[in-house]
Amino acid sequence: EDKVVQSPLSLVVHEGDTVTLNCSYEVTNFRSLLWYKQEKKAPTFLFMLTSSGIEKKSGRLSSILDKKELFSILNITATQTGDSAVYLCAVELNYGGSQGNLIFGKGTKLSVKP
Amino acid sequence: GAVVSQHPSWVICKSGTSVKIECRSLDFQATTMFWYRQFPKQSLMLMATSNEGSKATYEQGVEKDKFLINHASLTLSTLTVTSAHPEDSSFYICSAQRGRGPGFFGPGTRLTVL
Repeated sequence: EDKVVQSPLSLVVHEGDTVTLNCSYEVTNFRSLLWYKQEKKAPTFLFMLTSSGIEKKSGRLSSILDKKELFSILNITATQTGDSAVYLCAVELNYGGSQGNLIFGKGTKLSVKP
Repeated sequence: GAVVSQHPSWVICKSGTSVKIECRSLDFQATTMFWYRQFPKQSLMLMATSNEGSKATYEQGVEKDKFLINHASLTLSTLTVTSAHPEDSSFYICSAQRGRGPGFFGPGTRLTVL
C-alpha cells in the first residue's frame, strides 16, 4: 500500500527558531514529491521535487529530496508567527505515463509563538 | 497565474438533496482535475481523478453513483453529491493540474448536510 508519513505531527516553536519537517514515503511508482502549506482553507503550493540532492529554496523555506532513502525535509529558518499552519507533504504517482495523483501525509501542524 | 476557483464556498442542505460544486481553472487549461475530501483534523483524501472528455477514475471506496463528476471542458469540472446525507458533510477541495506541473488547489467548499 502506498503511504506518506510526516513527522512530527505537531510542533510548537518560538519566533526566530529554525524548524525541520520530515516526510518519508513508500510508493510503487514515484513521480514527484510536493510540499503544501495549509492555513484555513485550501493548501498553497510550496515546492515540487523530482531529483535527489537538489535543494529548492524560496525565502526562508527550503526543501530537499532523497530518493534513495525515500524522504524529504522542509526547513524553515527564522520562523515567524505567519508560518503557523499545517504543512502537507504529498507524493505524486506515475500511472503508465498519464497524469498521476497525489497521496498526502497527515501533515505537520506548526505553531510559532511570539 | 494558476488560479483555481470553487463555487460555492459553503453550502448547507437538507438530507436527501443533491449539491453541485464547480471547480474552474481561471487562467490556464487543466488537463486533469482532482477532487479531494478533507474531514476535520485529517489530511486530504483523493476521491477521483478526471480528465477532460473522459469518465472520472474513482478511488477505492468512493461511490461513483453518489459522487458524480463531470469534466466538461479544460477549465471546468463539477462534483455532484447526490442524495446527500449528514455523513457526507465535509470540506471538498479540487485541484487542477496542467501537464506535469504541480496541482493548484481551489479554495474548497464546506458542505453541511442537515
